Amino acid sequence: DQQVKQNSPSLSVQEGRISILNCDYTNSMFDYFLWYKKYPAEGPTFLISISSIKDKNEDGRFTVFLNKSAKHLSLHIVPSQPGDSAVYFCAAGRWGSQGNLIFGKGTKLSVKP
Amino acid sequence: DAEITQSPRHKITETGRQVTLACHQTWNHNNMFWYRQDLGHGLRLIHYSYGVQDTNKGEVSDGYSVSRSNTEDLPLTLESAASSQTSVYFCASSLQGGGSTDTQYFGPGTRLTVL
Repeated sequence: DQQVKQNSPSLSVQEGRISILNCDYTNSMFDYFLWYKKYPAEGPTFLISISSIKDKNEDGRFTVFLNKSAKHLSLHIVPSQPGDSAVYFCAAGRWGSQGNLIFGKGTKLSVKP
Repeated sequence: DAEITQSPRHKITETGRQVTLACHQTWNHNNMFWYRQDLGHGLRLIHYSYGVQDTNKGEVSDGYSVSRSNTEDLPLTLESAASSQTSVYFCASSLQGGGSTDTQYFGPGTRLTVL
């Protein structure tokens, strides 16, 4: 049973517009969430995170929103750039689990010039 | 600069052979992880270690083993390679108790093909 779900395998957005990537989870015990970006032939790189005590975290063009009641988080990229084209993974973890993360299957974002 | 490296980057082997993939990190992290990435499955955890001499099975551990003799290295061994183990393998590490969110840092990956 998938605990972290990314239901959209792909997303296409025009350069300059907003990209919204979604992630749902089933386990209300998760304490924090992370987004990773992955380019082809490279390892995933950490992008942004949020703890369960917050509902928003912002870093430059990237903002993550957390809705605990809906067990939903989203990553907003504004404005989108062609270099943002990559696969984005959502991940969730629990304090006390010594750093183990549960990953979603990923969403491939394509930003068109 | 601290980093995490994997070798080889590409490997082709035959069914039944033993294969070892190397992972080396200079972050001085306690935790190390091995994942495989397959189309439609995302990242699946194979094995992980919380420190020297500690190893644990993940979601898809059958056919794989690891050993942790020092902080820096966690080699992944395929005892008898099978075609179903053709995949891209990623190693990651994290600092135990590193903060409110335990971020994992990933290596560049090893693409393994089993013929």
